Amino acid sequence: DTGVSQDPRHKITKRGQNVTFRCDPISEHNRLYWYRQTLGQGPEFLTYFQNEAQLEKSRLLSDRFSAERPKGSFSTLEIQRTEQGDSAMYLCASSFGSLNEQFFGPGTRLTVL
Amino acid sequence: KNEVEQSPQNLTAQEGEFITINCSYSVGISALHWLQQHPGGGIVSLFMLSSGKKKHGRLIATINIQEKHSSLHITASHPRDSAVYICAVKDRKGGGSNYKLTFGKGTLLTVNP
Repeated sequence: DTGVSQDPRHKITKRGQNVTFRCDPISEHNRLYWYRQTLGQGPEFLTYFQNEAQLEKSRLLSDRFSAERPKGSFSTLEIQRTEQGDSAMYLCASSFGSLNEQFFGPGTRLTVL
Repeated sequence: KNEVEQSPQNLTAQEGEFITINCSYSVGISALHWLQQHPGGGIVSLFMLSSGKKKHGRLIATINIQEKHSSLHITASHPRDSAVYICAVKDRKGGGSNYKLTFGKGTLLTVNP
């Protein structure tokens, strides 16, 4: 257990539905990252927060995706109008300080039917 | 954009063998991570290094900045070492910070008893 938690661990949804995932980082960590991992691939960067500010977004993050970190603590990632191609593991990580070692949560596995 | 390549993609070994996994990248970096991912998704950070060599138990990680190459070695391998090992790099950008990671596809290691 790295101290980063994600909820839910698994989500099965039908195409077209909206889903929301939550990440709780290690409490003193000011940086929070979302990554997506498809089967057989390494994770890919989606977006990054420093405190409550979203500082960078990947072009992978289409307009159906939105992420928030309203109080600089937990974060949510919402996917609207899910598509089968959204099926993946969604990973959250957090870090702080100049070393910036990232600690990963267990991930949320999304299956879109 | 940094391109991260790992080799081999799959590796099968007998218990006790010495294991080497390689990682190369295309653009200068500020740090390189070696990560371990077990079935089910959870990612654990093994090493973060920017130069030289680090050792933790039976694991050794080395990096050659000039050659843009890193290796992860496992001595006296054991079936519990079976996992996916992922190399990830943090780009070196002039000026402001760049904290996101770019990942390789991973190496699936299976150690048979």
